[in-house]
Amino acid sequence: QVQLVQSGAEVKKPGASVKVSCKASGYTFTSFYMHWVRQAPGQGLEWMGIINPSGGSTSYAQKFQGRVTMTRDTSTSTVYMELSSLRSEDTAVYYCARSEIAAARNWFDPWGQGTLVTVSS
Amino acid sequence: EIVLTQSPGTLSLSPGERATLSCRASQSISSSYLAWYQQKPGQAPRLLIFGASSRATGIPDRFTGSGSGTDFTLTISRLEPEDFAVYYCQQYASSYTFGPGTKVDIK
Repeated sequence: QVQLVQSGAEVKKPGASVKVSCKASGYTFTSFYMHWVRQAPGQGLEWMGIINPSGGSTSYAQKFQGRVTMTRDTSTSTVYMELSSLRSEDTAVYYCARSEIAAARNWFDPWGQGTLVTVSS
Repeated sequence: EIVLTQSPGTLSLSPGERATLSCRASQSISSSYLAWYQQKPGQAPRLLIFGASSRATGIPDRFTGSGSGTDFTLTISRLEPEDFAVYYCQQYASSYTFGPGTKVDIK
């Protein structure tokens, strides 16, 4: 079955960077997009960006431009999301989620289990 | 950017009742590129509806999505205990944005 398994919780100091991984299984890794979505405590969902695992091309939400980098490793079917210059407002659960490549089929399914990133001095 | 507004913010209902959740977009969403997700505490969101009205695999038929243009609705015909959760709409017509969510809680 299709599964996305994310790395474990992280605690970081302000100004540091964090790199979260998302390992895919159960499907052809390069045939689907991967997205990153975050959710601050008690808040809603916020789309951060997308990566095409086939060629590695990315597109980021304007809010995160310059601070986020999404990469992939096709040999391990893993995508990564690195967020730099962390501040307390970046404390959130970070999710990866898959979508099909066709524009008409860009809904998110499934989602990873989430990774809690806590930014605290 | 397409902004999504959901109403009400909280819906307090009893098991067996009908729930009607609204999602309104700031501009027309082409080709009904709208999805609904359910999220329970401590869990990742789960896809319920895509293309405004198509149920995802394994989703019970008590969940119905409808609407087009700027106005969309998720209806839960008879609430089961496991349906009490937060529901988000999402558009994928122009980049990706989510609504703020509607919490369905037990009255």
